[in-house]
Amino acid sequence: QVQLQESGPRLLKPSQTLSLTCTVSGGSIGGGGSDWSWIRQFPGKGLEWIGYIFHSGSTHRNPSLKSRVIISLDTSKHQFSLTLDSVTAADTAVYYCARGLLYGGARFFDSWGQGSLVTVSS
Amino acid sequence: QSVLTQPPSVSGAPGQRVTISCTGDSSNIGAGYDVHWYQQLPGTAPKLLMYGNNKRPSGVPDRFSGSKSGTSASLAITGLQAEDEADYYCQSYDSGLEVFGGGTKVTVL
Repeated sequence: QVQLQESGPRLLKPSQTLSLTCTVSGGSIGGGGSDWSWIRQFPGKGLEWIGYIFHSGSTHRNPSLKSRVIISLDTSKHQFSLTLDSVTAADTAVYYCARGLLYGGARFFDSWGQGSLVTVSS
Repeated sequence: QSVLTQPPSVSGAPGQRVTISCTGDSSNIGAGYDVHWYQQLPGTAPKLLMYGNNKRPSGVPDRFSGSKSGTSASLAITGLQAEDEADYYCQSYDSGLEVFGGGTKVTVL
C-alpha cells in the first residue's frame, strides 16, 4: 500500500510563497497508470482539487489557481511538490497530497497523505 | 458554492438505512463522468469509499453501496453503525477539473 507524507512550512504571511513536498513510499512514483495530486480542504470543510502531475512531468492545474501554482516531480527522491505564489488568508487550508487513478472520465484518489495545515496570517 | 450539491447532514438510528444524494448537471455527472465517494472521519484525511459509481475498494464493507442516474448519484449505508459517523464527499469531473461536493455529515442517533 503506497503511503504519502506532506512536509513544509505551516505558517506564512500574506504575499509569501507556499511550498510543500510530498514523499511517496511503498510504491513507484514513476510509471504505472497513476498520477499525483494536490488537494486542499478549507476550514469550512470544502475540498478543492489544485492539480496533478504525471510521471512524465506534465501537469494539469485547476484553472482558478493556474497562474499561481507550480507542481513538480523528483522521481529520484520519490517526491512531488507544490508551489503556490502570493498567498492570502483565503489560502489557509489543510493541504493533502494524493495518488490519482483515472476511471470513467474522473480520477479517484485512493491514497492520501495525512494533511498539512497551512495558515496564512500577518 | 460547490459544483456538486449534497445535503449538509443526514441522520439515522443504528441499523437503519440512510442515503446521501449528490446532484450535478449536464457538464459533470450528466455528461457521463463517473462519481466517486470518500469518507472522512474526524481529524483524518478523506478515505476512498466508492469509485466508478458503485465499486467498493478492498476492505470497504458491503453495507455501503453507490448508484448513479442522470445528473445525480447516491451513496447508501444500510445497517448504520456508530463507526459510520463521519463526513462524506462525492467527486466527479467538470470542464477540465476534478470537482467535489460540499460534504454531508452523517450522524448516528
